[in-house]
Amino acid sequence: GAVVSQHPSWVICKSGTSVKIECRSLDFQATTMFWYRQFPKQSLMLMATSNEGSKATYEQGVEKDKFLINHASLTLSTLTVTSAHPEDSSFYICSARDPGLAGGPGTGELFFGEGSRLTVL
Amino acid sequence: QKEVEQDPGPLSVPEGAIVSLNCTYSNSAFQYFMWYRQYSRKGPELLMYTYSSGNKEDGRFTAQVDKSSKYISLFIRDSQPSDSATYLCAMTKAAGNKLTFGGGTRVLVKP
Repeated sequence: GAVVSQHPSWVICKSGTSVKIECRSLDFQATTMFWYRQFPKQSLMLMATSNEGSKATYEQGVEKDKFLINHASLTLSTLTVTSAHPEDSSFYICSARDPGLAGGPGTGELFFGEGSRLTVL
Repeated sequence: QKEVEQDPGPLSVPEGAIVSLNCTYSNSAFQYFMWYRQYSRKGPELLMYTYSSGNKEDGRFTAQVDKSSKYISLFIRDSQPSDSATYLCAMTKAAGNKLTFGGGTRVLVKP
């Protein structure tokens, strides 16, 4: 199946610093990638939809100036948490859709990265 | 009320038993339904993907969708300790659109 890679898998930073997380589709081109946040024992909450070559679409309540998303190529999207604070500590997961997969009439299949655990001290 | 409801568990079963998981949803516009498995501190892994109502079987996994009742199920036969994980249902209105997730059910398969 399609592979989505995230880096780093775990990062610790001081409060007030910025952290960048990368999401790569390794064997397919993804025009759209999604960024999720997951708190312990909770489900995934969609933060934003990242579209290659255009601005990201943010979900209600997500600060676009704090969570900067860049989708500069068909295989790479980045999420930058700016001026991170302890409450931003979470598990951040990206996903991408492989448009080349025949999963039905179009496909709703999404492949997820392994996640990036952010701890802000 | 959440769009997608899922019992958080934990659901504890002995090895070899059938694991039965389900989700209910309120939005009749959902057309595509997925089940993901997530191990601790890992990203979700797609298990099953179905479109509209019906059944789909893949190995030990069977997914069922009943759109008239807004109810989906996942059955795991001959459960193994390695099946211990959190299972998330997800659904979307159109292919490629953003997913709406259930809260996840934690499953423990005891040897």
